Parts: sequence; C-alpha cells; structure tokens
Amino acid sequence: DVKVTQSSRYLVKRTGEKVFLECVQDMDHENMFWYRQDPGLGLRLIYFSYDVKMKEKGDIPEGYSVSREKKERFSLILESASTNQTSMYLCASRLTATYGYTFGSGTRLTVV
Amino acid sequence: GQQVMQIPQYQHVQEGEDFTTYCNSSTTLSNIQWYKQRPGGHPVFLIQLVKSGEVKKQKRLTFQFGEAKKNSSLHITATQTTDVGTYFCAGLYTGTASKLTFGTGTRLQVTL
Repeated sequence: DVKVTQSSRYLVKRTGEKVFLECVQDMDHENMFWYRQDPGLGLRLIYFSYDVKMKEKGDIPEGYSVSREKKERFSLILESASTNQTSMYLCASRLTATYGYTFGSGTRLTVV
Repeated sequence: GQQVMQIPQYQHVQEGEDFTTYCNSSTTLSNIQWYKQRPGGHPVFLIQLVKSGEVKKQKRLTFQFGEAKKNSSLHITATQTTDVGTYFCAGLYTGTASKLTFGTGTRLQVTL
C-alpha cells in the first residue's frame, strides 16, 4: 500500500512565524498535492507538483509556497502564518492522472 | 472557475435505509472520482468513473456517471453504521492540468 506521511498531526504556531509542513510518499508517485480542508468549504487546492522542482498554483496559493527538491517529498511553507490559515492541511499523491489520490493523515494547524 | 456542487450537505438516516448523494457540474467533466472520509480521518479513494453513462458497484455502493458527463451520484443500499462519514466527489476537467476539483461533501450520519 502507498503511504503518504505528514510529519505532524497537530501544530500550534504563532502569528508571523514561518511554518513548514512536510509530506513524504513512498511509492515513486509523480504528482503531489497540498489541500486545506475547512468546514463547509470542502477541500481546496493550494499547490501541486507534477515532478521534482516543478510546481503549479492551485486555487488558493496566497500566503503559501512549496518546495519539491526530491520526488518523494513535497513541503508546504507558510511564509508568515496568520490566524486565517488555521485549518486542516492534507497532502496527497498520485501515480498519474488516471489514478485516485492517496491522502496523508493530515496536519491540524492552529495559528494563535 | 469550475465548480462541482454536491447535495445534500448532510443526511441523517436510520440503519437499513438507503442514501444518495449527488454531484453536478455546469461543464463537462473528463472523469469523476469518489472519496470517503471517516470522522477524524482523511479522504480515501473509492472509485473513478470515466465513461458517459457508466455504472459501477462496490457491494452496497452504486456509482453513476451521467450521460452528459456533468453529474454523478453515489447510492448506498441498506446503510450500516460503518457507512458514517463524509462522501466527496471530485471532478477532473479537460485542460486543467489534471487537478481535481472537489465537491463540498455530504456528511452521512447513520443511527440504529
């Protein structure tokens, strides 16, 4: 089974801090994604990556950046955390476009 | 931008009753996927539908893709308490760089 591992299950950070969320997949998947999930809003795409060093903006990229230096790792960076970035963050990977996503367990981030 | 509308937002049924959730898009989809998220969990891929009019079954779950490829449904026959969770559809639009657009989900509660 494919495993997508997110480094933290819960995080509490202060406003203005730089925050790193890490995601690692173990099945050589080409595509990786970062979503945030908020009640009533479903899953919204922040950034995605087709391959190493490639990244594309999703629907809500403002306030975020990403890094994909190695195929298995996709990092989400909050440059200066704000309270409206308090959310559940989900990483996902996929072999190719014809496959479903495998999600990590999520990181619940609280910005105070 | 493209949107996938999903209804109802919430449904409460008694065990043994049937349940259906619907997804609609204003524009044609390339394919549609369905996911289930248990309370406190992460979304898990259930199935992908690609062809116009396609119907697929997984035990008590029946998935349909509309003839025009603009709508889809998930029907659960004789619900069980293990069916509790939120069901998401996710559509893939042609020319969107293979990124899924998620519906807002239908939360299913099943009581004895």
